[in-house]
Amino acid sequence: DTAVSQTPKYLVTQMGNDKSIKCEQNLGHDTMYWYKQDSKKFLKIMFSYNNKELIINETVPNRFSPKSPDKAHLNLHINSLELGDSAVYFCASSQGPGTGDGEQYFGPGTRLTVT
Amino acid sequence: EDQVTQSPEALRLQEGESSSLNCSYTVSGLRGLFWYRQDPGKGPEFLFTLYSAGEEKEKERLKATLTKKESFLHITAPKPEDSATYLCAVQGTSGTYKYIFGTGTRLKVLA
Repeated sequence: DTAVSQTPKYLVTQMGNDKSIKCEQNLGHDTMYWYKQDSKKFLKIMFSYNNKELIINETVPNRFSPKSPDKAHLNLHINSLELGDSAVYFCASSQGPGTGDGEQYFGPGTRLTVT
Repeated sequence: EDQVTQSPEALRLQEGESSSLNCSYTVSGLRGLFWYRQDPGKGPEFLFTLYSAGEEKEKERLKATLTKKESFLHITAPKPEDSATYLCAVQGTSGTYKYIFGTGTRLKVLA
């Protein structure tokens, strides 16, 4: 059983297109996250939802819009894709903000390439 | 501002050659310090959580320790399968409890 799953694994698209990445966790966690990992492997948080409520919204272009239909799912929609959006996007989940046992469980990543 | 710095950036060891990875941090109130392992093409995999200075945790050949300013990941008698990038992250007590990651240490263990 995959704890945190993401689809698709790879995404190749052209500039200006709109794309979505989906994430699901079956760990029963309340909090989910989107991270961007650049070519230097630096993981930077983008968004976090706790029980469907947005709690972290970092300085990210408003072309990026997260959506959490329920606490087990967190999707990321990206409008008008740009070359600089090329990166690996990771979804993660944890029990909750401000609680103990705050370790995060990560999905396998989605490698986005914008041409 | 919360910050995490990891060193060295890369490390090559011979099999069996023990060493330590460093994670220095500044945070306004530490809620937890986390170590992860990341293999190429995969997501980070959780290893340890440390909550307070003096705490230590062990798992197989890995041992994590914590002081008020830094954490060490000690690798004893490493094997080639320990080759990976090791990431450190901190979670502070202020604001939104977000996690701040370091840039990682790329470890290569040679047979």
